[in-house]
Amino acid sequence: NAGVTQTPKFRILKIGQSMTLQCTQDMNHNYMYWYRQDPGMGLKLIYYSVGAGITDKGEVPNGYNVSRSTTEDFPLRLELAAPSQTSVYFCASSLEPYGYTFGSGTRLTVV
Amino acid sequence: DQQVKQNSPSLSVQEGRISILNCDYTNSMFDYFLWYKKYPAEGPTFLISISSIKDKNEDGRFTVFLNKSAKHLSLHIVPSQPGDSAVYFCAASGGNQFYFGTGTSLTVIP
Repeated sequence: NAGVTQTPKFRILKIGQSMTLQCTQDMNHNYMYWYRQDPGMGLKLIYYSVGAGITDKGEVPNGYNVSRSTTEDFPLRLELAAPSQTSVYFCASSLEPYGYTFGSGTRLTVV
Repeated sequence: DQQVKQNSPSLSVQEGRISILNCDYTNSMFDYFLWYKKYPAEGPTFLISISSIKDKNEDGRFTVFLNKSAKHLSLHIVPSQPGDSAVYFCAASGGNQFYFGTGTSLTVIP
């Protein structure tokens, strides 16, 4: 049982580049989330989805886009990377809106 | 504006003793609270939860206490073990979004 799988684990981007962080879950969870964790800060919600075809903004959505075409996948897109997006990104899923299962994270550095 | 606060960035406890991790929140509409544990280079793992209709929830060595009037919750770990050394996050929700504290790094000394 893989749970929540995030790829890549590490990435260095140049300012202005774009990339997609992949997130896949095999638990048939309806809810999926993207969080970022900055040093010394708590996890902050970027976007979330309550089901395929439905997405909504969290606390810090600026500079990101998401899509949810299937129950399993919830990719996070950075269009024009900025140094402020240097962070660790966590994807999570849940069957109800509680009790999350998290992926292992993607460490992104924008230089 | 931090709606969930963990004011102690770190805590050290002797093995076998009690660990008490604290969390304060500001939004009285929050009605569900969770604790997560996080090891380095791993994602947070769910530990224990409590809803606002309760003031205590126990799961083995872990107990969460909720004081709604003080907007305060705490996690008690008894007895503490070296494997409990990790960062602990509390989180609160009043709907689909969760708000996380900044975490407390617990070190259990053998």
